[in-house]
Amino acid sequence: AQTVTQSQPEMSVQEAETVTLSCTYDTSESDYYLFWYKQPPSRQMILVIRQEAYKQQNATENRFSVNFQKAAKSFSLKISDSQLGDAAMYFCAYRRLENYGGSQGNLIFGKGTKLSVKP
Amino acid sequence: KAGVTQTPRYLIKTRGQQVTLSCSPISGHRSVSWYQQTPGQGLQFLFEYFSETQRNKGNFPGRFSGRQFSNSRSEMNVSTLELGDSALYLCASSLLLAGGPVGELFFGEGSRLTVL
Repeated sequence: AQTVTQSQPEMSVQEAETVTLSCTYDTSESDYYLFWYKQPPSRQMILVIRQEAYKQQNATENRFSVNFQKAAKSFSLKISDSQLGDAAMYFCAYRRLENYGGSQGNLIFGKGTKLSVKP
Repeated sequence: KAGVTQTPRYLIKTRGQQVTLSCSPISGHRSVSWYQQTPGQGLQFLFEYFSETQRNKGNFPGRFSGRQFSNSRSEMNVSTLELGDSALYLCASSLLLAGGPVGELFFGEGSRLTVL
């Protein structure tokens, strides 16, 4: 069974600085998707960034980028120029590649990292 | 474009009761998934519906059930509530295309259930 581990329950960063959130996963499959989701307090979860395992290039979305190390099964998120609005729970998630039987498949989430941003 | 709407947002029940939660997906989205979020277990997949059929199911007891209607709205039901069922229940919808790439999941704000 696939598992996702986020080893940092809490992290803190100064506004305008850079922070990296760690995520490791375990799978025997060669093709899959990885995601980072953000859940602000009392707000809905939103997708930050996604990575297809078959793509060697690391995904980037504005101030957010990932360091995807497939062999090491590592998928870290780097937030540059941190802003107060970045404060939230961040979840790393895994999903199988196949889309069959009309199924979107299920996400397997890590336990999350609570990010605080200091002004 | 309206997002995923979940009702009710908050509810309190007592042990042994049952509860029904509702989810209206984004217009045009036909795939609806449900997740349970608790401080101890984190986010866990409950089930997924597409075209009124359950396509995928997580490891939850039979007390947890769901359904999807022809307009893609979905409901989940929990019978004989237990204290451990207290959680935030999240619904997510997706534009699922047959044979297409994985679509983004759009989450609702959740229904927070407290069981006393």
